[in-house]
Amino acid sequence: QQPVQSPQAVILREGEDAVINCSSSKALYSVHWYRQKHGEAPVFLMILLKGGEQKGHDKISASFNEKKQQSSLYLTASQLSYSGTYFCGTEIWVQGAQKLVFGQGTRLTINP
Amino acid sequence: EAGVAQSPRYKIIEKRQSVAFWCNPISGHATLYWYQQILGQGPKLLIQFQNNGVVDDSQLPKDRFSAERLKGVDSTLKIQPAKLEDSAVYLCASSLVWALGRTNEKLFFGSGTQLSVL
Repeated sequence: QQPVQSPQAVILREGEDAVINCSSSKALYSVHWYRQKHGEAPVFLMILLKGGEQKGHDKISASFNEKKQQSSLYLTASQLSYSGTYFCGTEIWVQGAQKLVFGQGTRLTINP
Repeated sequence: EAGVAQSPRYKIIEKRQSVAFWCNPISGHATLYWYQQILGQGPKLLIQFQNNGVVDDSQLPKDRFSAERLKGVDSTLKIQPAKLEDSAVYLCASSLVWALGRTNEKLFFGSGTQLSVL
């Protein structure tokens, strides 16, 4: 049920780009992306719905390939504030219930 | 707008003791979730409420965990008796509606309760 994220960790210099992937073995209704800083609650970044859409927010964007059951998060020209652990959450239908299941996370470290 | 409130912030207990966590979701949010986050892992859904009814509790260890959401507002999660492997952060989240993918809704998380079982 749990989506698989890759890579598990990334270390970048400020200004570099990163891609985080999320794949599921189950059909997806939607994909959520959240960022969690150490000791804090996860914070919503964006949601992608069925239809293969792509979204963007500032220099963070994401795509959702419904057919491949995959989503990717793109961070361009990374800033120090982007550091944290990124989780994808996949909305799946399990045992008659719709639920949001999170991946294991990708730890992103941005160095000056 | 007030966020999701959780208490306590930290709790240290010995194994076999009992513990309870409290959550007050954002006003008007029909769906409430309890997630368990073990250090270095993603949040794992324990139970999901729609108003005061349980939508999914397939991952809740029912021999020791229980949860209720009286009157469809705040919720409590209880562990009795606690085991060492229950050490984790317990996150409460809420959303306006249940069908997230159809309504473009997101989850709002509380700050969590960090539980240490010794």
